Amino acid sequence: AQSVTQPDIHITVSEGASLELRCNYSYGATPYLFWYVQSPGQGLQLLLKYFSGDTLVQGIKGFEAEFKRSQSSFNLRKPSVHWSDAAEYFCADRNRDDKIIFGKGTRLHILP
Amino acid sequence: EAGVTQFPSHSVIEKGQTVTLRCDPISGHDNLYWYRRVMGKEIKFLLHFVKESKQDESGMPNNRFLAERTGGTYSTLKVQPAELEDSGVYFCASSQLGGWSPLHFGNGTRLTVT
Repeated sequence: AQSVTQPDIHITVSEGASLELRCNYSYGATPYLFWYVQSPGQGLQLLLKYFSGDTLVQGIKGFEAEFKRSQSSFNLRKPSVHWSDAAEYFCADRNRDDKIIFGKGTRLHILP
Repeated sequence: EAGVTQFPSHSVIEKGQTVTLRCDPISGHDNLYWYRRVMGKEIKFLLHFVKESKQDESGMPNNRFLAERTGGTYSTLKVQPAELEDSGVYFCASSQLGGWSPLHFGNGTRLTVT
């Protein structure tokens, strides 16, 4: 069955440090992958998506993600985090039936 | 453009009562989805409308849940009668038909059943 795995439930980094959030997908030869962010009291905001083309994808708020087919991964990165990046991050995969499957989320904590 | 709007933002009801959640998608978006997140767990798919038709309702937990999208515009999700395990955040999302357009999510309705 299609699944998305985010192995880290919580991640804590210091402000200004680099960040990498892990995501592994299981479905299909042609995944359509997303990262969403949910800040407290807010809905899910799309950070970036990958369908085809360049495997390094740039998103909003300075985030990027790299698709690695050999590792079935789509990790999210940011070179320098800001306190406002504290939120919950969801990796997701969309199948041929237009259904999006989410990972369990990674909650990011920022130390001042 | 206006985003996906959901109403109410919060709802607290007693077990056995009925609650109706509403979602207004982005204008022109034929795809409409409902998702739910129970506390501490993943965001789970409930169902998918294409215009007014249910494309996939495989995620609906049981027959206490009824979703409608009359006229292919806004959608409602009714829970009747509500149970304690129905508590969670219900998200609505919409997207355009065709291609691989991303889903746009509303802020969710936080439902608490006591």
